[in-house]
Order: sequence, then structure tokens, then C-alpha cells
Amino acid sequence: AQTVTQSQPEMSVQEAETVTLSCTYDTSENNYYLFWYKQPPSRQMILVIRQEAYKQQNATENRFSVNFQKAAKSFSLKISDSQLGDTAMYFCAFMNANTDKLIFGTGTRLQVFP
Amino acid sequence: EAGVAQSPRYKIIEKRQSVAFWCNPISGHATLYWYQQILGQGPKLLIQFQNNGVVDDSQLPKDRFSAERLKGVDSTLKIQPAKLEDSAVYLCASSPRLAGARGDTQYFGPGTRLTVL
Repeated sequence: AQTVTQSQPEMSVQEAETVTLSCTYDTSENNYYLFWYKQPPSRQMILVIRQEAYKQQNATENRFSVNFQKAAKSFSLKISDSQLGDTAMYFCAFMNANTDKLIFGTGTRLQVFP
Repeated sequence: EAGVAQSPRYKIIEKRQSVAFWCNPISGHATLYWYQQILGQGPKLLIQFQNNGVVDDSQLPKDRFSAERLKGVDSTLKIQPAKLEDSAVYLCASSPRLAGARGDTQYFGPGTRLTVL
């Protein structure tokens, strides 16, 4: 069974600084997808970034980028130039390529301070 | 483009009562998901529909939970009777499910927070 681990329950960062959120996963599959979702207090899960496991190039989306280490089964999220609006829960999620089932980690609460 | 709609946003009931949640996915999205998110945890899939057929309901407590997706569009999730441990946020998501595509992004609604007293 696949599992997703986020070892940092809480993180904080000052506005305009850079922060990295950690995520590791366990799977025996070779073809899969990884996601980072943001959940602000409004509760709506918003996609931040998506990575295909077969692509070696790390995904980027404006200020958000990932460090995907397939051999180490690691998928960290880097937020550059942090903004107050980045304050939220961040969830790492795994999807087996043969199903559409998302398996989420327990989340990291990020607080951005002015 | 309108997002995934859910109602109600909040619901408070007493144990053993019944409750129903409604979801309207993004127009044209074939696949619909219901997730349960208990406080302090990540969402957990309850049931997945492809059009109006069930693809995966292995995590759905079928003795008390039921779901349907009539006509392959809107969906309702029902709990009867509710237990204290059902207190959670219930999230609905949809994905376009392009033919042959995998790893579709799932788009989430705002969720319904259920409190069972």
C-alpha cells in the first residue's frame, strides 16, 4: 500500500523569504503522479503543483517549485518570495497511474509572518 | 468557469440523525469523488464515480453511508444514522477524465463541515 509522510506538522517563514516543505512517499509502483495542494482556512483544496514520475525535470509554477528525487522517494515543495497569502495547510498527495485515487499526507501548516 | 459547488457549508446534527450533502461538479467533468477529512488529517477517499457508475467505494462504510450520482452530474452523500466519529469535513472533487489520460488533476469544492453531537 502506498503511504505519504509529511514530517513537519508546522512551519513558519518571514514574508519574502524562502521555505521548503518536506514529503516522502512509499510505493512499489514505477509510474505515478505527485501533487501539492494548498488548503487555506476557507477549506477549499487548491492545486499548487503537479509532477509526473516519468519526468526527470522538476515541475515549477511561478514561485513554487519541487525537488523530486525518485530514487529517494522524496518530493519537497519550495516556496520562494513567500507572501502572506501563502499561509495555509499544505498537503502532499500521491496518485498511482493505474487509478485516480489520491493518497494524502497529514499536512504541514505554514504560517507566513510580515 | 464555475468551480465545484457544495452545500450546505456547515451542518450540526445529533448522533443517530441522518444528513445529506450535495455536490455539483465542474461542467463536463466525468469523474466525481467524495473525500472525508477528519480534523488534523489529510482527506481520505470515500467513493469515486465515473459518470453515474461507481468505480471505487472500498473505503465507504456502507452500513451507514450511501452515495449516488444520478444522470452522471450532481451527487449526494448521505449518512444514516450518524455517529460522533463522522464529524469531519466532506469534500467533493471532480476531474475531466480525458479518455486514456491518467493523473488527472482533481478540483475540489469548499467542503461541508459536519459536527455530530
